Amino acid sequence: ELKVEQNPLFLSMQEGKNYTIYCNYSTTSDRLYWYRQDPGKSLESLFVLLSNGAVKQEGRLMASLDTKARLSTLHITAAVHDLSATYFCAGPPGGGATNKLIFGTGTLLAVQP
Amino acid sequence: DGGITQSPKYLFRKEGQNVTLSCEQNLNHDAMYWYRQDPGQGLRLIYYSQIVNDFQKGDIAEGYSVSREKKESFPLTVTSAQKNPTAFYLCASSIEGSDYSGANVLTFGAGSRLTVL
Repeated sequence: ELKVEQNPLFLSMQEGKNYTIYCNYSTTSDRLYWYRQDPGKSLESLFVLLSNGAVKQEGRLMASLDTKARLSTLHITAAVHDLSATYFCAGPPGGGATNKLIFGTGTLLAVQP
Repeated sequence: DGGITQSPKYLFRKEGQNVTLSCEQNLNHDAMYWYRQDPGQGLRLIYYSQIVNDFQKGDIAEGYSVSREKKESFPLTVTSAQKNPTAFYLCASSIEGSDYSGANVLTFGAGSRLTVL
């Protein structure tokens, strides 16, 4: 079954800086999801990547998917404090047509002034 | 507005008691899910249902039970058999239980925080 690993697990960065969160997964998957969670809150969908080479951008966040490398990245450009949250990547377990998702452990992002 | 409603938001339970967490959706989604989140960890799947009157165990189903008598509702019971039930519980739904062509994104409720005293 799919295993999802994110790194780093914790990221402290200054406002205005750029950084990338990495999501590696263990088996072939044709799609990858990114979610955001604010402290004590629910999960909000950020991106759905449905094919190899897919790239999605929303504001200062850009996500990409490389299915051959089994890697997705979430790039943060010129970080601002409002981006502080936990970011999760997730993928379907494979081997069948189901949308139950396997989640990574999350990356806690803290943007410092 | 369409969405998922979970209740209660906070729940305290004594050891040995069963408790039921409510999850209602008005999105007309076929599939519903229960996830558990522990501090500093990702989400783990407890149960999921792709259609009314049918559900499957997830990765950590022991000590939990569910029902799916109506499309809109997917309650989760945390039984006394669950040894460490203190956690944040998230209910989610998606348009279809299985889908290759569309995005089929999971929509989450606000969560229920269960504490065992």
